[in-house]
Amino acid sequence: DTAVSQTPKYLVTQMGNDKSIKCEQNLGHDTMYWYKQDSKKFLKIMFSYNNKELIINETVPNRFSPKSPDKAHLNLHINSLELGDSAVYFCASSHRPSGNIQYFGAGTRLSVL
Amino acid sequence: ELKVEQNPLFLSMQEGKNYTIYCNYSTTSDRLYWYRQDPGKSLESLFVLLSNGAVKQEGRLMASLDTKARLSTLHITAAVHDLSATYFCAVDLYGGATNKLIFGTGTLLAVQP
Repeated sequence: DTAVSQTPKYLVTQMGNDKSIKCEQNLGHDTMYWYKQDSKKFLKIMFSYNNKELIINETVPNRFSPKSPDKAHLNLHINSLELGDSAVYFCASSHRPSGNIQYFGAGTRLSVL
Repeated sequence: ELKVEQNPLFLSMQEGKNYTIYCNYSTTSDRLYWYRQDPGKSLESLFVLLSNGAVKQEGRLMASLDTKARLSTLHITAAVHDLSATYFCAVDLYGGATNKLIFGTGTLLAVQP
């Protein structure tokens, strides 16, 4: 019954590896987002997709590549992981028009060793 | 560059006391959200404020928005321990094809018995 679900919840990996995080929402929303929360709890948007189309692409290294196979799914692939990528990554979804609440997933805690 | 600043960053208060968290932002927007985050958990939506002068209340929390002053407040009345969490405001930047949330720095609230 979880509205926005992310997997995995925890991800521990070595520098240089490639990893993916998956996100699915069952709320019928048309827009999905990826956020990064750093160790100081600062939250910053990375990407947003609307109906599988990329609409927000903040200044994020090319090593990060989002993919949306359909409007209910948004995945995040990270190549050549670096120590600075360690953070909690949150997926969120909403209806597109501004003024609608964004619902967040439980987060994926990524630790790069 | 848009800045969203909250103060205080950390607030320790006693049960039964009142206090206000302030959220200042540096650009024009009439849409602002408040979220709550418990340690190690996701973000939960508290309030959506969509116009100048908007006021919303839920239990011991009340949020307001003054778009002319670019200020939102979250007032806590007669705090209880269960309100201990980190509170974020988020300004909605919208227009054209996209809208995105810019989060504040967060306020860690600790309510002491």
